[in-house]
Amino acid sequence: AQSVTQPDIHITVSEGASLELRCNYSYGATPYLFWYVQSPGQGLQLLLKYFSGDTLVQGIKGFEAEFKRSQSSFNLRKPSVHWSDAAEYFCAVGAESSGDKLTFGTGTRLAVRP
Amino acid sequence: DVKVTQSSRYLVKRTGEKVFLECVQDMDHENMFWYRQDPGLGLRLIYFSYDVKMKEKGDIPEGYSVSREKKERFSLILESASTNQTSMYLCASRTTYNEQFFGPGTRLTVL
Repeated sequence: AQSVTQPDIHITVSEGASLELRCNYSYGATPYLFWYVQSPGQGLQLLLKYFSGDTLVQGIKGFEAEFKRSQSSFNLRKPSVHWSDAAEYFCAVGAESSGDKLTFGTGTRLAVRP
Repeated sequence: DVKVTQSSRYLVKRTGEKVFLECVQDMDHENMFWYRQDPGLGLRLIYFSYDVKMKEKGDIPEGYSVSREKKERFSLILESASTNQTSMYLCASRTTYNEQFFGPGTRLTVL
């Protein structure tokens, strides 16, 4: 069965600092990988996705993520964090063989210091 | 833009009540999902549907049922609400490659 680990429950960074959120997955085949963001009281919004091809993917709001097969990782990065980036971030994995289902990590809550 | 709407943002019910959570999508997607979200547990799949009148259990179906009479509408039913079903409920519909679009969520409190 596929699984996703987000090892950091909470992260605090200063505004303008760089950010990296970690995501490790467990799956035998090539996965489909996603990062979602959830602002307080809201649903999830897709930030970016990886299906195949270039392992560095660009998303909305200045985010990017890199798929590293050898490390089973799909870490999310942003070079300069803005106060509006404070939210909860979820990594998710799916695959053709898992049907239509996604498996989500437990989330990382990001706080931004002024 | 894909739009997924949920009938209520906040809902308060009493133990033992029958509760209906409605979800509607406007993009003619075949696949729809219901999740519950709890702190520290992330999103857990309750049920999903891949066509009208078709449904499959997710990871935590106990205490829930679903209905999909029309393609655009997927309902989650709590037959007899209990306090441990207090949670945030999220509906999603799927495009290609498992990409899912989410509604705004319903925060359900069972007293």
